[in-house]
Amino acid sequence: QKEVEQNSGPLSVPEGAIASLNCTYSDRGSQSFFWYRQYSGKSPELIMFIYSNGDKEDGRFTAQLNKASQYVSLLIRDSQPSDSATYLCAVLTNSGYALNFGKGTSLLVTP
Amino acid sequence: GAVVSQHPSRVICKSGTSVKIECRSLDFQATTMFWYRQFPKQSLMLMATSNEGSKATYEQGVEKDKFLINHASLTLSTLTVTSAHPEDSSFYICSATYRVGTDTQYFGPGTRLTVL
Repeated sequence: QKEVEQNSGPLSVPEGAIASLNCTYSDRGSQSFFWYRQYSGKSPELIMFIYSNGDKEDGRFTAQLNKASQYVSLLIRDSQPSDSATYLCAVLTNSGYALNFGKGTSLLVTP
Repeated sequence: GAVVSQHPSRVICKSGTSVKIECRSLDFQATTMFWYRQFPKQSLMLMATSNEGSKATYEQGVEKDKFLINHASLTLSTLTVTSAHPEDSSFYICSATYRVGTDTQYFGPGTRLTVL
């Protein structure tokens, strides 16, 4: 089983700070990476995806991918209390269509 | 765009009964639909992948005779939990891919199943 690892947290940051969420994966051949946000009792919602090494920015969110080191991260700038949720890292499996999810990192943004 | 719905959102049933959950793509034709299960404090675990008009592909350890999947059209997939037991109580979530050749999955709101 290919692994996707995340620190379960909780990660606590003050409002307005940068939250940094990390994810490592074991399958060196993985090509597609996704970050989902999941509020308690709700289903995941897509934040962003990244395919290439480097940074990808979308509003307050920046995804970073380093395939050589097999890690992907998500930065949330100007964190808001509404960002408090569990963040799931997902990696596309070599089937080409199924996702392998990490257990998620719980983020708490304190006012 | 890319809205996925599920019905029902919550169901409580007695042990031994069967429960059907529907997953619909509302504004697009889903080439592939996926069924996940999530237990409390755990991540999503893929149960099966279904393509319209063909048999579902089940993940290792998932009983295909217990979790029946029917993908009757490009906008509808159903999951039937047969002879449900308390250990089947979980959060069941479907997802769908938006376009052929893409791998981004969009998730339905989930169905909370409680088996008494």
